[in-house]
Amino acid sequence: NAGVIQTPRHKVTGKGQEATLWCEPISGHSAVFWYRQTIVQGLEFLTYFRNQAPIDDSGMPKERFSAQMPNQSHSTLKIQSTQPQDSAVYLCASSPGTSGNTLYFGEGSRLIVV
Amino acid sequence: AQKVTQTQTSISVVEKTTVTMDCVYETRDSSYFLFWYKQTASGEIVFLIRQDSYKKENATVGHYSLNFQKPKSSIGLIITATQIEDSAVYFCAMREAYNTNTGKLTFGDGTVLTVKP
Repeated sequence: NAGVIQTPRHKVTGKGQEATLWCEPISGHSAVFWYRQTIVQGLEFLTYFRNQAPIDDSGMPKERFSAQMPNQSHSTLKIQSTQPQDSAVYLCASSPGTSGNTLYFGEGSRLIVV
Repeated sequence: AQKVTQTQTSISVVEKTTVTMDCVYETRDSSYFLFWYKQTASGEIVFLIRQDSYKKENATVGHYSLNFQKPKSSIGLIITATQIEDSAVYFCAMREAYNTNTGKLTFGDGTVLTVKP
């Protein structure tokens, strides 16, 4: 079985430009999560979908970040007007359900804003 | 709020020995789930082992086992017969059971394990 697939693996974007990251969860998994990893902050929760519905976006910077899940096989994280502090590895994870189910992570998308 | 603390920044061991990594957590929930993940040099985060708070028996998977001490809010990871390829960053994480409106997994800062020949 394929794991969580994230594209692109690496992206360099200029300050002020838009960046869109894609995630394909494991087939049959109903929960999708986005995390961000930096040296300074470590692994930070961004947002969570269950059965495609947004459940918790408490970790999302409100002004420039948005996430969607238009269908069960695809989620996107969009960052508008990117800033150097947005540089990080963005990780998508999926799990079979809710609560105690284990999360399975993709390999991440490394975003560099210059 | 939930919190996970890994006090060991890095550990170095000789291969084929046993290593223990510490983790303590804070939660107000009576039911929760504890996980250990490994992040390899390529950046991939791999699930290793989990402990459900209501289970008294320590989880074991392959050469990974847990030392769950609920009264101390502690969940240590034990790796026996370490191998060079066990070198990685190890993360402890927790997820509360009853607050199903958030799937948030809270991570510790990680422990870097180096296994030397």
